[in-house]
Amino acid sequence: GAVVSQHPSWVICKSGTSVKIECRSLDFQATTMFWYRQFPKQSLMLMATSNEGSKATYEQGVEKDKFLINHASLTLSTLTVTSAHPEDSSFYICSARGGVPYEQYFGPGTRLTVT
Amino acid sequence: QKEVEQDPGPLSVPEGAIVSLNCTYSNSAFQYFMWYRQYSRKGPELLMYTYSSGNKEDGRFTAQVDKSSKYISLFIRDSQPSDSATYLCAMSVGVKTSYDKVIFGPGTSLSVIP
Repeated sequence: GAVVSQHPSWVICKSGTSVKIECRSLDFQATTMFWYRQFPKQSLMLMATSNEGSKATYEQGVEKDKFLINHASLTLSTLTVTSAHPEDSSFYICSARGGVPYEQYFGPGTRLTVT
Repeated sequence: QKEVEQDPGPLSVPEGAIVSLNCTYSNSAFQYFMWYRQYSRKGPELLMYTYSSGNKEDGRFTAQVDKSSKYISLFIRDSQPSDSATYLCAMSVGVKTSYDKVIFGPGTSLSVIP
């Protein structure tokens, strides 16, 4: 299957700082990318959907000013958690959808810990 | 009622057993059904997908969809310790546009004991 990478895989930051997470599709062009959040032993919660060159569409209850998403190219999307707080600590996973409609590939995830 | 329901487990079986994982859903518009496997602290990996009703087999894995009952299943034959993971069912109405969101079940934790 196609490969999606995420960087960093693990980050610790202080409360009030911002953190940027990168998501790259390595061997295909991702027309659509999705950002999910996952709490321990819970399912994936969709945060937002982004298309290359367009503004992201955020799910209800997700603060767009806090979770900034940029999908600048067909292979790169970034999620910036601004003014992070301890309650933002979570596992963030990106996913990319390319040419094959039903196939949505996931990155390995980024574990964010805000102290 | 949640859109997709799945027994969280944990489910523990001996090596070699047949495993049955199930999900129910409420939205009759769902057409695409998928199963993902997620190892601890990793992103989900697509195992199988099925369109509409019917069965699909891939090696030791068989996916079944019964749209009349709004029920999907994943069977794992000759289970191995390496199958120990969380299995997420997922479904969507469509898959072609960015508006086609995939809805995930909460996942079932499976342990295969050697």
